[in-house]
Amino acid sequence: GAGVSQSPSNKVTEKGKDVELRCDPISGHTALYWYRQSLGQGLEFLIYFQGNSAPDKSGLPSDRFSAERTGGSVSTLTIQRTQQEDSAVYLCASSSSGTSGINEQFFGPGTRLTVL
Amino acid sequence: DAKTTQPTSMDCAEGRAANLPCNHSTISGNEYVYWYRQIHSQGPQYIIHGLKNNETNEMASLIITEDRKSSTLILPHATLRDTAVYYCIVLKAAGNKLTFGGGTRVLVKP
Repeated sequence: GAGVSQSPSNKVTEKGKDVELRCDPISGHTALYWYRQSLGQGLEFLIYFQGNSAPDKSGLPSDRFSAERTGGSVSTLTIQRTQQEDSAVYLCASSSSGTSGINEQFFGPGTRLTVL
Repeated sequence: DAKTTQPTSMDCAEGRAANLPCNHSTISGNEYVYWYRQIHSQGPQYIIHGLKNNETNEMASLIITEDRKSSTLILPHATLRDTAVYYCIVLKAAGNKLTFGGGTRVLVKP
């Protein structure tokens, strides 16, 4: 079946503009995660959705970042008034179990965001 | 979640077994050991996980010491496509926020 998809694959924007990044998780996966990875760095957790529960936003770096998940499926990560330090690869992952047991997260290919 | 320590890099000959060590001396009883890898320009990929018993799947084997303070990921017959950064992570059963450190950069050579 189809894996996690993300769009766009690359996004170049000017400082101060807003951007929206999209994630289509694997069908039936109840858990959805957003991470970002700066060049040569490790993985940084941003936000986590599990079913109809309130999202865990503890990783969002500032109030310029927000995310929503509509209908328990597609998710959009929005960055307002982008800054150069927002440049990174934004990764989305989904899993079938976010509360216990196996934590096998399936990752999408990522969106490379470049803020000029 | 417990901290892990891995070597920065290692080389492996194609067709040979690659043994990747990981120290997690502060692991607690309800924490699992997970391994992910990230091939260049791709998203991370789950490999295997375990609690205390050794585990094997189609990708790799995971050997966890009896005291659980360290583990070894074994790629039985490394191929050039196994060149990647390998991350050892410790997570509680209900843990869900993956945080990768430096990992081990594995280069499989012909």
